[in-house]
Amino acid sequence: AQSVTQLDSHVSVSEGTPVLLRCNYSSSYSPSLFWYVQHPNKGLQLLLKYTSAATLVKGINGFEAEFKKSETSFHLTKPSAHMSDAAEYFCVVSGSGGYQKVTFGTGTKLQVIP
Amino acid sequence: SQTIHQWPATLVQPVGSPLSLECTVEGTSNPNLYWYRQAAGRGLQLLFYSVGIGQISSEVPQNLSASRPQDRQFILSSKKLLLSDSGFYLCAWSTGGSGNTIYFGEGSWLTVV
Repeated sequence: AQSVTQLDSHVSVSEGTPVLLRCNYSSSYSPSLFWYVQHPNKGLQLLLKYTSAATLVKGINGFEAEFKKSETSFHLTKPSAHMSDAAEYFCVVSGSGGYQKVTFGTGTKLQVIP
Repeated sequence: SQTIHQWPATLVQPVGSPLSLECTVEGTSNPNLYWYRQAAGRGLQLLFYSVGIGQISSEVPQNLSASRPQDRQFILSSKKLLLSDSGFYLCAWSTGGSGNTIYFGEGSWLTVV
């Protein structure tokens, strides 16, 4: 069984300040983990993914995430928020097997205040 | 490069009417295909997935159905829509195996009135 928990449904930051979006997971296998971003009325765009290589993963638009097995966490960070970062972010865990079982978090809405 | 197309982008349908949402993928062969629904204020719910032509698995009971008539075509249908079918529907694809990225279409907004 696998699950993913996004600890905050809404996060508000000022432009230019750091962003932290929290994600915890559980998985019976060595998981693959992803972060996606969704702008209003749009599909989901991949930000970054972890697949058992380096634990610190760099993605697009200055985002990065660190896989911490001991804490079962995969938090998303960015040093300095930009107005264009305002969107909803989804943490995703993927299990093994012929059919790719994927579980989505419930999402975190990021608000960036000018 | 691979692309995914989904249409229509928006749809307003009366209760009891049929539905057909279509999705096609280009630039890859034998993809895994998925239909997700995103209801307002909620996360993504997997509705159907397919690992090959004519192979459809349903994750949740509902009045929707899916078909895969061709390798890279995935269709979501309903014979009679319910108000509760309103939402944002996303088609997605991935290559087989674990850890592979899922790529999403732009989504279709369905409002049942």
